[in-house]
Amino acid sequence: GAGVSQSPSNKVTEKGKDVELRCDPISGHTALYWYRQSLGQGLEFLIYFQGNSAPDKSGLPSDRFSAERTGGSVSTLTIQRTQQEDSAVYLCASTPGRGSYEQYFGPGTRLTVT
Amino acid sequence: GNSVTQMEGPVTLSEEAFLTINCTYTATGYPSLFWYVQYPGEGLQLLLKATKADDKGSNKGFEATYRKETTSFHLEKGSVQVSDSAVYFCALRSSANAGGTSYGKLTFGQGTILTVHP
Repeated sequence: GAGVSQSPSNKVTEKGKDVELRCDPISGHTALYWYRQSLGQGLEFLIYFQGNSAPDKSGLPSDRFSAERTGGSVSTLTIQRTQQEDSAVYLCASTPGRGSYEQYFGPGTRLTVT
Repeated sequence: GNSVTQMEGPVTLSEEAFLTINCTYTATGYPSLFWYVQYPGEGLQLLLKATKADDKGSNKGFEATYRKETTSFHLEKGSVQVSDSAVYFCALRSSANAGGTSYGKLTFGQGTILTVHP
């Protein structure tokens, strides 16, 4: 079946603009995670969704970052007033939940802030 | 808090050479351990996993053994191929509870770039 998909695959934006990154998890997967992969910081956890709620937002680096999930499916990560340090690859992963915790990753969105 | 430390790369080997990528971790409780691989231009893929002490994960000729006494999960392969060229990430998942739900976010090492030459 289809895997996790993310869009856009690449995004170049000017400093100060807002961006939205989208994740479509595997159908039926109840849990969804966002991670960030950047030079010097490696792979960092950002936020976890179970259904439409986000019990763990501890990895969001600032209040410029927010995320939502609707219908227990698609998730959007929004970065407001982007800064150059936001440049990274943003990865989404989903898991079936219900005792199965293997995370399936999407291809990522490469964000470049100029 | 949890942390994962991988040997620094990049690692460059000739085809059929033996590979070891070291990984050690710090965690409370009893984490599960993973190796993920990222091939050029592709997303992260689970390579292998081990969920308890002394478990050995294996896949595609790669192996790693969960060593609780040394808090290690070193990745090994007896004979690498050019197609193994990729970035390898060691990761741990510790049980956590939030909002009444048990879940497992991953903590990753910094990644090791492996290049295999013919």
